[in-house]
Amino acid sequence: ILNVEQSPQSLHVQEGDSTNFTCSFPSSNFYALHWYRWETAKSPEALFVMTLNGDEKKKGRISATLNTKEGYSYLYIKGSQPEDSATYLCAFNTNAGKSTFGDGTTLTVKP
Amino acid sequence: DGGITQSPKYLFRKEGQNVTLSCEQNLNHDAMYWYRQDPGQGLRLIYYSQIVNDFQKGDIAEGYSVSREKKESFPLTVTSAQKNPTAFYLCASSINYRTGNYGYTFGSGTRLTVV
Repeated sequence: ILNVEQSPQSLHVQEGDSTNFTCSFPSSNFYALHWYRWETAKSPEALFVMTLNGDEKKKGRISATLNTKEGYSYLYIKGSQPEDSATYLCAFNTNAGKSTFGDGTTLTVKP
Repeated sequence: DGGITQSPKYLFRKEGQNVTLSCEQNLNHDAMYWYRQDPGQGLRLIYYSQIVNDFQKGDIAEGYSVSREKKESFPLTVTSAQKNPTAFYLCASSINYRTGNYGYTFGSGTRLTVV
């Protein structure tokens, strides 16, 4: 079983704060890294699919970077809003066709 | 709208009974997956299917069984052999087995409680 770690486990910030969290994964047999947002009572939703070392992706106030050589990805949220409150999951993929998930970072944004 | 439908949303089972969780997709995706989530933990892979009439065990397959007779359907049976079945179960699909390129589309989950 591959080891995919996310930190911190939970995070509480004030509205307007910027924040970031980390996903660490094996640096060998890398194929892709996914980020998902999982809001309470909803289905997980794909945020980013990242495949190349040095990739940077952005969607609105959320961005992500990827370092496959050292085995980590950062997710950044600029100017957090209450609607950003969710659990953020990363998933590591080899070319074998299945994802290994981290335990997630739960973000709570207080108004 | 295309998507994945899981039913039921909540399910209660008596100890010693088998129970089947439904997962249906109308996305024309080849690959389908079942994950389990326990409190404070991430998603763990139970079974996956890359194509119709084929499936493989994931990391925690013991006590579970699946079938993939139709492209759109991937039901999961939790058998009485599963020692700790109370959990949240998520079904997912992907365009094809190379999920790295596309990511997953998820259902809304089934919460199973053994009483």
